[in-house]
Amino acid sequence: DQQVKQNSPSLSVQEGRISILNCDYTNSMFDYFLWYKKYPAEGPTFLISISSIKDKNEDGRFTVFLNKSAKHLSLHIVPSQPGDSAVYFCAASADYGQNFVFGPGTRLSVLP
Amino acid sequence: DTAVSQTPKYLVTQMGNDKSIKCEQNLGHDTMYWYKQDSKKFLKIMFSYNNKELIINETVPNRFSPKSPDKAHLNLHINSLELGDSAVYFCASSQRGRRDTEAFFGQGTRLTVV
Repeated sequence: DQQVKQNSPSLSVQEGRISILNCDYTNSMFDYFLWYKKYPAEGPTFLISISSIKDKNEDGRFTVFLNKSAKHLSLHIVPSQPGDSAVYFCAASADYGQNFVFGPGTRLSVLP
Repeated sequence: DTAVSQTPKYLVTQMGNDKSIKCEQNLGHDTMYWYKQDSKKFLKIMFSYNNKELIINETVPNRFSPKSPDKAHLNLHINSLELGDSAVYFCASSQRGRRDTEAFFGQGTRLTVV
């Protein structure tokens, strides 16, 4: 039973354009959401997070949007750069920032 | 200065063997985890360990056992290795009780059982 879903296994975007990665969740107890970026042969690295009391959080080129009623969040990267090419994992927690549940990931390719 | 480090990075072993993967964090966190990334690339939590409280994912076989000599270490011991145990194993840590916190991950250990 997948509690966190990322329905697009891959996404290709032209350099300079916007990348939009989507994530859906089923557990209404989740109250904290994160995005991680992963390069091959490395561990996931934290990118940006959002608490359920907010609907938007921005950090430089990265913005995360949360729609609680739809149980949906998205990560916007603008402008996209070739160095953003990686696998992006959506994660959620119902436990004060513990026991993070991960989605299956979306492989983003930013084409020069 | 690596925040979460795990060793070895690669481990190839035969079926039936017993092996351990070590993990150390220097972040002062009080909660550590083991995650397994399977062939389908899903990252699934195996264990969560906080101040001697162990939470086990019920799907994890009891051949897997975490051992924590102190707050900064959480090692993973695997008995009687099987082919299906081949995966990448990630150690992670976080600080309990802080709402806006994230888990920090090690670089992963690629385990291959032959």
